[in-house]
Amino acid sequence: GQNIDQPTEMTATEGAIVQINCTYQTSGFNGLFWYQQHAGEAPTFLSYNVLDGLEEKGRFSSFLSRSKGYSYLLLKELQMKDSASYLCAVRDSNYQLIWGAGTKLIIKP
Amino acid sequence: ETGVTQTPRHLVMGMTNKKSLKCEQHLGHNAMYWYKQSAKKPLELMFVYNFKEQTENNSVPSRFSPECPNSSHLFLHLHTLQPEDSALYLCASSHTAGLAGHETQYFGPGTRLLVL
Repeated sequence: GQNIDQPTEMTATEGAIVQINCTYQTSGFNGLFWYQQHAGEAPTFLSYNVLDGLEEKGRFSSFLSRSKGYSYLLLKELQMKDSASYLCAVRDSNYQLIWGAGTKLIIKP
Repeated sequence: ETGVTQTPRHLVMGMTNKKSLKCEQHLGHNAMYWYKQSAKKPLELMFVYNFKEQTENNSVPSRFSPECPNSSHLFLHLHTLQPEDSALYLCASSHTAGLAGHETQYFGPGTRLLVL
């Protein structure tokens, strides 16, 4: 079966750095997405990786290793507004999106 | 700008009621999606419409009935629901639902549904 694994919950301190991991086993691979979802709000697109390596976008970076079936989202200079759930999703060989259950990130002052 | 809107935002219904959820996208997209989001579970894809045609029905019970009158509007008609159907129902849209790996889905804020 297809599976996306990410930690259920993480806690970090304001101003620090946090890395949210995502591992996947899917039938084929056509890219990996990260979304941010604040409580009670819509998931919003953060990043898309299809090639190995690091993509940087401001305070957020996303890394992909296709050979390891692994990605991470790196958040720097954490702010209180970064408290949210972070969803990892992989597009498989049928171009279906397979979703992880999300990681709830709690930022403490 | 609110690209994808959903109404109502909250809904409480009894098991014998009939209600409808509405989604509208203002992004000029051709594909629309219904997802179910339950606590601590992955998003579950329910239905996909591409150019108003239903292209995906992920074994969803018949008590959920989608309708897509045009590329900008999507409805989810609900009848005789069960308490386990209580969840957040998210609508999303994308340019198409075709074979593009980078195709990004844009989500609405969801309808929080409680079935009593």
